[in-house]
Amino acid sequence: GESVGLHLPTLSVQEGDNSIINCAYSNSASDYFIWYKQESGKGPQFIIDIRSNMDKRQGQRVTVLLNKTVKHLSLQIAATQPGDSAVYFCAETPIYNQGGKLIFGQGTELSVKP
Amino acid sequence: EPEVTQTPSHQVTQMGQEVILRCVPISNHLYFYWYRQILGQKVEFLVSFYNNEISEKSEIFDDQFSVERPDGSNFTLKIRSTKLEDSAMYFCASSTSGGPDTQYFGPGTRLTVL
Repeated sequence: GESVGLHLPTLSVQEGDNSIINCAYSNSASDYFIWYKQESGKGPQFIIDIRSNMDKRQGQRVTVLLNKTVKHLSLQIAATQPGDSAVYFCAETPIYNQGGKLIFGQGTELSVKP
Repeated sequence: EPEVTQTPSHQVTQMGQEVILRCVPISNHLYFYWYRQILGQKVEFLVSFYNNEISEKSEIFDDQFSVERPDGSNFTLKIRSTKLEDSAMYFCASSTSGGPDTQYFGPGTRLTVL
């Protein structure tokens, strides 16, 4: 069946270091990918998205890389700050989907040490 | 910045009771969604809604669930007869368009069924 999953459930980094959060997806009929950040007790917050016709997209301090050959998505956070501590989810929408359903991965908890 | 709002933040109910969770999507958005997140698990899609009808629903969204847009601003999720396993965070989301598009999430309603 279709699934989106994360390689590492937890990631601990030193403040100022770069963070890389990985995500594997199994549904090759996927068109659109989003990274969300979820802080404790809050809803998912949009970080960055990428469509399947791209392999890289940059935002402010964040970069998303998409490797369709191996069905792998990653989120890179530059100069990680304590405020980046949260659970990060990747999500995807299949190309055939018209209802907008997002399929979420399991989540990776990022912990930033000062 | 416009945001999705949800009320109440926490709802406690007895098993078998009906609950209505309320959401106010971002005002110019046309597509609306409900997701749920059982404690410690990933976010799961429940239903998408557009033009006053359901676009897509998951297998979780059985006959006990219903959605409604009673007026021009509110979007509600009703659970007719709650079960213990309905205890979860329920997130409302909205987007400008359907299919692949950024969905913006509300802060969630924590539903506790006793």
